[in-house]
Amino acid sequence: GQNIDQPTEMTATEGAIVQINCTYQTSGFNGLFWYQQHAGEAPTFLSYNVLDGLEEKGRFSSFLSRSKGYSYLLLKELQMKDSASYLCAVKNAGNMLTFGGGTRLMVKP
Amino acid sequence: DADVTQTPRNRITKTGKRIMLECSQTKGHDRMYWYRQDPGLGLRLIYYSFDVKDINKGEISDGYSVSRQAQAKFSLSLESAIPNQTALYFCATSAAGLGQGGETQYFGPGTRLLVL
Repeated sequence: GQNIDQPTEMTATEGAIVQINCTYQTSGFNGLFWYQQHAGEAPTFLSYNVLDGLEEKGRFSSFLSRSKGYSYLLLKELQMKDSASYLCAVKNAGNMLTFGGGTRLMVKP
Repeated sequence: DADVTQTPRNRITKTGKRIMLECSQTKGHDRMYWYRQDPGLGLRLIYYSFDVKDINKGEISDGYSVSRQAQAKFSLSLESAIPNQTALYFCATSAAGLGQGGETQYFGPGTRLLVL
C-alpha cells in the first residue's frame, strides 16, 4: 500500500518563499507529481519528478529524494493567486496515482 | 474549449435514486479515470479504464459502476445513491506509456453531487 503525508495548512506572506513538504511510503515508486487546485476547481499539473534532485519551472521548483521518500514544492515570490491547495501524488509500479490529502496554502498581503 | 468536460456540473438527488455522471475528452487519450474528493481525504480513485474494452476497480468502487462507451467517453453511475456519496467527482485522462511528464493526468472541472 501507499501512505502520503503533507501538512494540512500553511500560511505565507506575499513576496515570500514557501516550501511544502511531502513524505511517502510506497511498495513501488514510479514518480511523484505536484498539482495545484484552487477551491472548487480541477487540479492542474505543476511538476513531475522521477529522479533525485531539483526540477525548476519558473517560480515553482520541486525536489525529490527517493532514498528518503521525500519531496517538496518550493514557491518563490508568492502572489495572492498562489492561494490554493497543493496535492502531492505518487505513481506506483502499476502507473496509478495515490494522492495525499493536500496542503491548503493561504497567501496574505 | 475545455479538453475534458463533465456533465452535470452540479447535481442534487435523493437517497435511492440512480444517477449518471458523464465525462468526455478531446485530448485523444486512451486512459480515463474517475475520482471522488472529500475534504481532508484528497482524491480517491473509483474506477479506471486503459482503453474501451478495459475496466478496472479502484480504491473505492463499491456502490459505483462505469461504462466506457468510446475512447472519448467514460460514465460513472451510482446505482442507488446514498448520502455518504455526497462529494466532488472528477474525471481525468492520460496518455499511455512513459516519457516526459510521466503520464500526467488531466482533470475535468468536476461534478458537485449532493445526496439528500
